[in-house]
Amino acid sequence: DAKTTQPPSMDCAEGRAANLPCNHSTISGNEYVYWYRQIHSQGPQYIIHGLKNNETNEMASLIITEDRKSSTLILPHATLRDTAVYYCIARSSPGTGKLIFGQGTTLQVKP
Amino acid sequence: EAGVAQSPRYKIIEKRQSVAFWCNPISGHATLYWYQQILGQGPKLLIQFQNNGVVDDSQLPKDRFSAERLKGVDSTLKIQPAKLEDSAVYLCASSLDSSGVYNEQFFGPGTRLTVL
Repeated sequence: DAKTTQPPSMDCAEGRAANLPCNHSTISGNEYVYWYRQIHSQGPQYIIHGLKNNETNEMASLIITEDRKSSTLILPHATLRDTAVYYCIARSSPGTGKLIFGQGTTLQVKP
Repeated sequence: EAGVAQSPRYKIIEKRQSVAFWCNPISGHATLYWYQQILGQGPKLLIQFQNNGVVDDSQLPKDRFSAERLKGVDSTLKIQPAKLEDSAVYLCASSLDSSGVYNEQFFGPGTRLTVL
């Protein structure tokens, strides 16, 4: 699975949109981009995934560039409860389902 | 729906002792994963089961770690003997199956192991 690169940390003001970038320049055609987050002292939680089209669900939006070499997770109205480590993961499908976590981005939402 | 259950939540042992962790996945989930998360790092897959068969154990230190999933439901992970570097959070996750695109993994709260 392709390696992903994320900034180690970001800040966001409460109520504003949080835009978390991810680079995956070596992603292959059958690899999906998955986002998970991990709130302190909890297990990771699935957020969203996509292949090449933009995706939106009740938690977030995922914007994938046309060349698929990068993507952005958008939390439209960040709250203090969104403070967490966010992981961007490239995963093949079909595949074993294995998730390879990097260091992720620590998002700090501030009042 | 009940989530993934793990016990104990915390464990402190001395090096060279043995320890076991238990995981009960979400009912009906065929795939079960054990991850190790060292402080400051992302989780690392140790072993993956599909029903009661092992799919991937390439990252499991087999000289000291063992895992089983009898009857394809709950699972235990054992460390014997423990080393200082085994101090970590051990996370269990489950999913309906592993091969599909929509393969959301549901994680338990983890067991925090401290080896002194």
